[in-house]
Amino acid sequence: GNSVTQMEGPVTLSEEAFLTINCTYTATGYPSLFWYVQYPGEGLQLLLKATKADDKGSNKGFEATYRKETTSFHLEKGSVQVSDSAVYFCALHLSGGSYIPTFGRGTSLIVHP
Amino acid sequence: GAVVSQHPSRVICKSGTSVKIECRSLDFQATTMFWYRQFPKQSLMLMATSNEGSKATYEQGVEKDKFLINHASLTLSTLTVTSAHPEDSSFYICSARWGASTDTQYFGPGTRLTVL
Repeated sequence: GNSVTQMEGPVTLSEEAFLTINCTYTATGYPSLFWYVQYPGEGLQLLLKATKADDKGSNKGFEATYRKETTSFHLEKGSVQVSDSAVYFCALHLSGGSYIPTFGRGTSLIVHP
Repeated sequence: GAVVSQHPSRVICKSGTSVKIECRSLDFQATTMFWYRQFPKQSLMLMATSNEGSKATYEQGVEKDKFLINHASLTLSTLTVTSAHPEDSSFYICSARWGASTDTQYFGPGTRLTVL
């Protein structure tokens, strides 16, 4: 079956530090990959996505590259801000399927001033 | 972006009672709504998919008689937890999308259910 594995958090960083949140997946077929973000008290929001190997998704300074050879989709940001503090979810769904995503457990990011 | 609301955001109830959670799409018509359950430090688990005007499709292991889902209109879906027990305590999240061939879902803020 399909699964998504994320690094456990919380990840605690100082402002302007470099961020990496690891995500690996297993899937049958050719998945599309997503990162969602959940700010405190809010719903999940789509942060970025990539639909095929070697694609790079980017948004708000975050980026992630679809690596088929390592089955990974690590989230990176060069300089985090306090406002980036949230829970980040990696997810996949199979192309041509029902578009229902399989989520990772989520990784909490805490950024200190 | 599109907005999805949930009500209530937090509810505490006694064991044996029923609780209804509403999910509304505020600025678009949602042909499909999804209900998820999230345990602490765990991923979102899809409970069921509901299409407007038809019966919900439940995931394996989810009791349809316990978790009643109604999607009576294009902007409203409800989840009723019947005869709630402490093990039903969880964070319930809905999402909505329009169209069958889109991967974009819009999520509600979630409802924290605590059953005493």
